[in-house]
Amino acid sequence: EDKVVQSPLSLVVHEGDTVTLNCSYEVTNFRSLLWYKQEKKAPTFLFMLTSSGIEKKSGRLSSILDKKELFSILNITATQTGDSAVYLCAVGNNAGNMLTFGGGTRLMVKP
Amino acid sequence: DAGVIQSPRHEVTEMGQEVTLRCKPISGHDYLFWYRQTMMRGLELLIYFNNNVPIDDSGMPEDRFSAKMPNASFSTLKIQPSEPRDSAVYFCASRSTGRGETQYFGPGTRLLVL
Repeated sequence: EDKVVQSPLSLVVHEGDTVTLNCSYEVTNFRSLLWYKQEKKAPTFLFMLTSSGIEKKSGRLSSILDKKELFSILNITATQTGDSAVYLCAVGNNAGNMLTFGGGTRLMVKP
Repeated sequence: DAGVIQSPRHEVTEMGQEVTLRCKPISGHDYLFWYRQTMMRGLELLIYFNNNVPIDDSGMPEDRFSAKMPNASFSTLKIQPSEPRDSAVYFCASRSTGRGETQYFGPGTRLLVL
């Protein structure tokens, strides 16, 4: 059974801090890893990673995948209060079209 | 382009009543997914469809849950009879085969069963 574990469970930082969120996985026939941000409503897509060592970047957010060690990190630099959300990691495999989600990391950014 | 549309956005019902949740996927998307999210269990996949055909319903909790997709633009998730432990946020998501793994989520239906 595919498994995704995120850490830490929750995190409180102050504006301007840099945070690193972790996602480790065990999946048969790995295909891709996705990061989502969930505020009060639905998860919204951030990144999809398929290759090791290639950083994806969007503004202050960046993510990288390590397929050898089976993990990914999501970095947020110069955090803002609007970054407060639950960040979800999900993996997809080649066997089907489902995503397995981790439990999420709840980030709170204080002014 | 409209995103995934779900209705109702909120539903409060009494135990034993039938509940029907509705979803309209993004036009042109050929996959549709139903998820349930709770604090205790996180985001769980219930069932997904490809080209209106149910492919995997192993996540459906029990026979009280059923889902249909009569056409490419509409799906329902029904709970009959509902129980308090069904209280959760139910999300519908869709994706397109030609555009990778990314699933686009609807706003969710917050269900409270009293």
